[in-house]
Amino acid sequence: DAGVIQSPRHEVTEMGQEVTLRCKPISGHDYLFWYRQTMMRGLELLIYFNNNVPIDDSGMPEDRFSAKMPNASFSTLKIQPSEPRDSAVYFCASSLAPGPYGYTFGSGTRLTVV
Amino acid sequence: AQSVTQLGSHVSVSEGALVLLRCNYSSSVPPYLFWYVQYPNQGLQLLLKYTSAATLVKGINGFEAEFKKSETSFHLTKPSAHMSDAAEYFCAVNIQGAQKLVFGQGTRLTINP
Repeated sequence: DAGVIQSPRHEVTEMGQEVTLRCKPISGHDYLFWYRQTMMRGLELLIYFNNNVPIDDSGMPEDRFSAKMPNASFSTLKIQPSEPRDSAVYFCASSLAPGPYGYTFGSGTRLTVV
Repeated sequence: AQSVTQLGSHVSVSEGALVLLRCNYSSSVPPYLFWYVQYPNQGLQLLLKYTSAATLVKGINGFEAEFKKSETSFHLTKPSAHMSDAAEYFCAVNIQGAQKLVFGQGTRLTINP
């Protein structure tokens, strides 16, 4: 298995532009999680899906952020409009089920908003 | 509510010395416990996990952790540190029935030559 695949690995964009981050979970994993990591705030859970349905989006910072999972093999995290404070590493993770399985993380997307 | 606390945001040891990274959790029922490692510019990688079988769990790269219910702890150890162990380590807990993991704030491990 190729693991959790995220694209792009790096993204540099100008303030005000729309940014779309992509994630392909491991086949058969029913849970998908989006995290943001910064030096100041550490690892933050933004939103997670179960069977393509958003379950908890309480970590999404504001309305500029949105996430979708149109099918079991693809998810997007969109920021519109982007701001410099959105600069962070964004991770996607997938899991087979709650409990003893843990998560498998992607390599992350490093976003820089200038 | 489940929570996890990692004692020490930064730990520094000499190469060849014992590594001890501390993790305590709060839960009224036995949880599932995990340690993840994050090397620079990489995602988090599962190091080991406790799932109610043996209380001493062995993981990759010579690491192990012991689940101690009486102390609500799951400390990570390695007998002899190697330079390649320099990374950030995260403890995480999943209370049975919950849908998501709760992560600690992380401990950055530095290895001195």
